[in-house]
Amino acid sequence: GENVEQHPSTLSVQEGDSAVIKCTYSDSASNYFPWYKQELGKGPQLIIDIRSNVGEKKDQRIAVTLNKTAKHFSLHITETQPEDSAVYFCAARSWGKLQFGAGTQVVVTP
Amino acid sequence: EAGVAQSPRYKIIEKRQSVAFWCNPISGHATLYWYQQILGQGPKLLIQFQNNGVVDDSQLPKDRFSAERLKGVDSTLKIQPAKLEDSAVYLCASSWGDSNTEAFFGQGTRLTVV
Repeated sequence: GENVEQHPSTLSVQEGDSAVIKCTYSDSASNYFPWYKQELGKGPQLIIDIRSNVGEKKDQRIAVTLNKTAKHFSLHITETQPEDSAVYFCAARSWGKLQFGAGTQVVVTP
Repeated sequence: EAGVAQSPRYKIIEKRQSVAFWCNPISGHATLYWYQQILGQGPKLLIQFQNNGVVDDSQLPKDRFSAERLKGVDSTLKIQPAKLEDSAVYLCASSWGDSNTEAFFGQGTRLTVV
């Protein structure tokens, strides 16, 4: 089955700086790569996603890139704000099943 | 639009006891998922329903876990008997179509087995 690895496990950034989270996947059949944000005591919320026929996607301060050859994808958050502090999960969908990474705890310090 | 509702929010039980969780998906959503999220890990799919039929339960420990979705709407997840390693957050999610459509998550039920 699919295996998703996510790095780093924790990330501390100064407000206004950029944050980058990287994920790798194992199954070349994976065709959909969503990113979720999970705040304390809440369920994961989809923030951005990318499909295998696209290399990059941007939504305001958030962007995702996908390298199918290398089987890795990344989340970029620019101009970070305190409200960006949360746990972020990458995921990869293979044969209809979503496999999540272990998560990255992002802390944005003022 | 109301989100995915789950209850209870928290539950503490002793090992070997039984427990049940309830989920009400977003109205009109055909697909319902139960995930287990152990502290420090990503969610792991336990079971997926499409309407009232099971699509995938390959990672459900069937000797102790069971789930049903009567009438294709609400769902319950049961653990009997519970083990210490079942301590986790149990997340319910739903999507309007199959697993190729966006899933919306509930707040989860935090289970502690002592």
